Amino acid sequence: DAGVIQSPRHEVTEMGQEVTLRCKPISGHDYLFWYRQTMMRGLELLIYFNNNVPIDDSGMPEDRFSAKMPNASFSTLKIQPSEPRDSAVYFCASSFGALYGYTFGSGTRLTVV
Amino acid sequence: QQQVKQSPQSLIVQKGGISIINCAYENTAFDYFPWYQQFPGKGPALLIAIRPDVSEKKEGRFTISFNKSAKQFSLHIMDSQPGDSATYFCAASSGSARQLTFGSGTQLTVLP
Repeated sequence: DAGVIQSPRHEVTEMGQEVTLRCKPISGHDYLFWYRQTMMRGLELLIYFNNNVPIDDSGMPEDRFSAKMPNASFSTLKIQPSEPRDSAVYFCASSFGALYGYTFGSGTRLTVV
Repeated sequence: QQQVKQSPQSLIVQKGGISIINCAYENTAFDYFPWYQQFPGKGPALLIAIRPDVSEKKEGRFTISFNKSAKQFSLHIMDSQPGDSATYFCAASSGSARQLTFGSGTQLTVLP
């Protein structure tokens, strides 16, 4: 198994541009989570899905952030328009059921200049 | 109530020593307590986890101690090795979806 795959690994964009982060969860996993990691705030849960349905998006910081999961093997996190304070490492994680630990991807390091 | 407080922020240990990282929580609904290990440029990886019906869980050199009455749990790394140098996160979850609330992390350095 290739694990959770995120792309791109690094993204540098200018303020105001749209950014799309991508995630392929482990096949068979029915939960998908998006986290953001910064030095100041640590690991923050942004949103999670169960069987492709968004369950809790209360961690999404603003309306500029949106996430979709069109099928069991793909999810996107979009920021439009991006701002410098969005600079962080964004992690996707998936799990099988609610009783087991997550498997994280390697993350996307986003820099907004 | 959703916070998990972790200490220390950083820890330096000699090779062969014992590394101890502590976490405390407030939410009594938490019922799953994992520890994650993160190397630079990588995502966190599950290291070991415990549920509140036991007071200790050991896997190799890694042990979780859990004190339900004090709402505290800790990670002990025995015979610490330079390869253990990483950032360690405690976490806690509750509810049907197990969404994790993470501590702030401890950067462990094991000197050769």
